[in-house]
Amino acid sequence: GAGVSQTPSNKVTEKGKYVELRCDPISGHTALYWYRQSLGQGPEFLIYFQGTGAADDSGLPNDRFFAVRPEGSVSTLKIQRTERGDSAMYLCASSSQEGTEAFFGQGTRLTVV
Amino acid sequence: LAKTTQPISMDSYEGQEVNITCSHNNIATNDYITWYQQFPSQGPRFIIQGYKTKVKNEVASLFIPADRKSSTLSLPRVSLSDTAVYYCLVGASFGNEKLTFGTGTRLTIIP
Repeated sequence: GAGVSQTPSNKVTEKGKYVELRCDPISGHTALYWYRQSLGQGPEFLIYFQGTGAADDSGLPNDRFFAVRPEGSVSTLKIQRTERGDSAMYLCASSSQEGTEAFFGQGTRLTVV
Repeated sequence: LAKTTQPISMDSYEGQEVNITCSHNNIATNDYITWYQQFPSQGPRFIIQGYKTKVKNEVASLFIPADRKSSTLSLPRVSLSDTAVYYCLVGASFGNEKLTFGTGTRLTIIP
């Protein structure tokens, strides 16, 4: 696609439920990033993929959060047993290995009620 | 990773030149300085990147002194549509490592 696509754009879920957030990066981009952003804060790093493997997952807050990128393209961020504190905008970005910039999607706004 | 410090907020009038300075005292030799812009409910968007001296593109200029411990993003003749949050990031480029966002500078343009 022309840009990074994230689905759904909005997700409301009940506390304790499982959610999946999807990211379609720009075709050919090897690097893919997940960030989380709360109101009034800058994006907080979660995980970074190079190809299919997680190059750095140091930002995942706990073991309820997991992300995959099985074919080196689309990525899914999975959150188990959601908590109200997980409510935030989840941003995905992609970049070529040689590129200087990352291209961000519009984000998925997750609300846990 | 080098930590950055920016003003929390700035106001400016339309048509003025705006300069936002970022401090990064422990920048590493191979680190670049990159600025992103973010509008409400959108993902950040790349503005400009530099390593040293001055870089200019169609939307902004970036001034970096010789010691590289700070940088200044310059927006010429701002308009209301430049109201946004501006982030200064320091590190190797995206594609090679994660980059860390601070809290950014909230720029408000006044008519």
